Amino acid sequence: AQTVTQSQPEMSVQEAETVTLSCTYDTSESDYYLFWYKQPPSRQMILVIRQEAYKQQNATENRFSVNFQKAAKSFSLKISDSQLGDAAMYFCAYRRLTGTASKLTFGTGTRLQVTL
Amino acid sequence: NAGVTQTPKFQVLKTGQSMTLQCAQDMNHNSMYWYRQDPGMGLRLIYYSASEGTTDKGEVPNGYNVSRLNKREFSLRLESAAPSQTSVYFCASRAYEQFFGPGTRLTVL
Repeated sequence: AQTVTQSQPEMSVQEAETVTLSCTYDTSESDYYLFWYKQPPSRQMILVIRQEAYKQQNATENRFSVNFQKAAKSFSLKISDSQLGDAAMYFCAYRRLTGTASKLTFGTGTRLQVTL
Repeated sequence: NAGVTQTPKFQVLKTGQSMTLQCAQDMNHNSMYWYRQDPGMGLRLIYYSASEGTTDKGEVPNGYNVSRLNKREFSLRLESAAPSQTSVYFCASRAYEQFFGPGTRLTVL
């Protein structure tokens, strides 16, 4: 079974600075998807960024980028120029490539605080 | 286009009571999912439905039943609620990039 580990329960960053959230996963498969979801206090789950394992290039979405290290099974999220609105829980998630309804396996989350 | 909607947003039950959580999506997605979120444990899959008329167990199905009423609707039923089912419940749709509903906070006393 796949597992996803987020070893940082809480992180803090000053506004305008850069922070990196860590995620490792365990799988025996060679092709899969990885995601980062954001959950602000409103509770809504919002997709931040996704990475296909077969793509060597790291995904980027505006201020959000990932460092995908397939051999190390590591998938970290970098937030640049942090803003107060980035304060939230961040969840890393894994999904198999095959299967019409493959489920997401989530990590336990990292709570990010953004300070002035 | 409302996306994924869930009702109710909050609910308090007594032990042994039953209730159904409703979920609907208007994006014509085949796959739908029910998750629960507990502190320190992330989201865990309860049940999912790959298409209308099919349902399958996820990681934590005990104490729950589901119905895929049609392509739009996927309900979650607690037949006899227990305090261990106190949680936040999320419905989601689409297999690839899952879209989530706003969640239901359920408290079982």
